[in-house]
Amino acid sequence: QKEVEQDPGPLSVPEGAIVSLNCTYSNSAFQYFMWYRQYSRKGPELLMYTYSSGNKEDGRFTAQVDKSSKYISLFIRDSQPSDSATYLCAMIESGGGADGLTFGKGTHLIIQP
Amino acid sequence: DSGVTQTPKHLITATGQRVTLRCSPRSGDLSVYWYQQSLDQGLQFLIQYYNGEERAKGNILERFSAQQFPDLHSELNLSSLELGDSALYFCASRATGGNEQFFGPGTRLTVL
Repeated sequence: QKEVEQDPGPLSVPEGAIVSLNCTYSNSAFQYFMWYRQYSRKGPELLMYTYSSGNKEDGRFTAQVDKSSKYISLFIRDSQPSDSATYLCAMIESGGGADGLTFGKGTHLIIQP
Repeated sequence: DSGVTQTPKHLITATGQRVTLRCSPRSGDLSVYWYQQSLDQGLQFLIQYYNGEERAKGNILERFSAQQFPDLHSELNLSSLELGDSALYFCASRATGGNEQFFGPGTRLTVL
């Protein structure tokens, strides 16, 4: 069983729709969670960082963490064609950075104009 | 622009060869992480350096090694290259006291 599961998609939605992207994980030691956006052949760009269960909002993006269910989500409101990219969830066990991130395989998102 | 720089952008080489990838972290960041991204494995953590010292190892092959220099730039050395080493290689840096990692633009390695 992979540590982090993420549906690869592609997920295709019309412009303006609300997008929901999800990851599940098996390692209950994961404490810090991130969402990255990656355009084709570019470096991952950090979108959201959270460390507690609940919601965190930043503009059109909302990150949600449910540690009891080992489930994290990223919601994108008013989706735009420029949001078309691969979205990667990432997580790490401990603070202080003495470890690398564990990533999901990424969900390919397509926003149709 | 994350502030992390990587060179070269592209590298094409042959099996059995050795290459060196270079990374400069964001100004002031002491930690550097190396990752490999392939189609089948996704993004995988290789190794981390903090202020010149190795701090953590992930799925790094024995043929691969890294170091971090006094000016904090880092190099990833890949030797005895195989076709399966073809991938995107990213480095990331992390601000001391934080957990967020910021990625560079990557080096695309093609082994023929």
